[in-house]
Amino acid sequence: EAGVAQSPRYKIIEKRQSVAFWCNPISGHATLYWYQQILGQGPKLLIQFQNNGVVDDSQLPKDRFSAERLKGVDSTLKIQPAKLEDSAVYLCASYRTSGSRYNEQFFGPGTRLTVL
Amino acid sequence: AQSVTQLDSHVSVSEGTPVLLRCNYSSSYSPSLFWYVQHPNKGLQLLLKYTSAATLVKGINGFEAEFKKSETSFHLTKPSAHMSDAAEYFCVVSGRYNQGGKLIFGQGTELSVKP
Repeated sequence: EAGVAQSPRYKIIEKRQSVAFWCNPISGHATLYWYQQILGQGPKLLIQFQNNGVVDDSQLPKDRFSAERLKGVDSTLKIQPAKLEDSAVYLCASYRTSGSRYNEQFFGPGTRLTVL
Repeated sequence: AQSVTQLDSHVSVSEGTPVLLRCNYSSSYSPSLFWYVQHPNKGLQLLLKYTSAATLVKGINGFEAEFKKSETSFHLTKPSAHMSDAAEYFCVVSGRYNQGGKLIFGQGTELSVKP
C-alpha cells in the first residue's frame, strides 16, 4: 500500500510570512497526526484528528498554527505568521483505528521548514 | 502521565560489536512501547513494538528489546552492528492501545558505527 504523502519536502520562508503543509494519509486510516520535530529533539504532537474531527490539539500554538482535515482524508497545517522558532521538520502520521490492536503509526517523510 | 528517557544522546560502536541503546519509561498504566529509527533525510520507521505480550520483542534488521517492568526499562540491543545501522533512534511510549493515542518520544540517541 502507498505510504503517507507530504508536500512540500522543503520550504524556506522569512519570519512573519505564512506557510502551509499538506498531508495525504494511507487510504482507510481514520486517525491523522501532525508532529513537530525540532532539530536534536524527538517529535512532539501538535494535533490529532479522528476522521475530520479534532481529538487533541492541546500542544498546538493556536495563535499562529491552524490545521484542518476536510472530508476526513487530506489535511493541511498552516502557520501564520511564522517565527524563527518554527524552524523544524513537520511530520504527518496516520493510524487505522479498526482491526488493529497495536498503536502503530505510519509516518510520512516530513516537510523541513526553515524560517529566516 | 507518560514519559520516556533515553539515557544516552550519542552512542558510538565499531562495526561487528554489540549495540545497546538505553531507555527508561514512566507510565501510570500498562504501556505500549516502541523503538523507531530515523535515517538522515528519511521518515521514521518502526523497529519493534511491545504491547503486553512477550517481554522480549524482536524487530527488524536484527534488533530486539526487552521489557522489564521492575526496572521500567525497554533497552534496544543488536548483537552485531552494521554500518547501515548508523541513524537516530527514538524510544516511544503510548499508554492506551487500540485508541490511536498520541506517541510520546524520547529525545533520541544518535548511533554512530565506526568501520
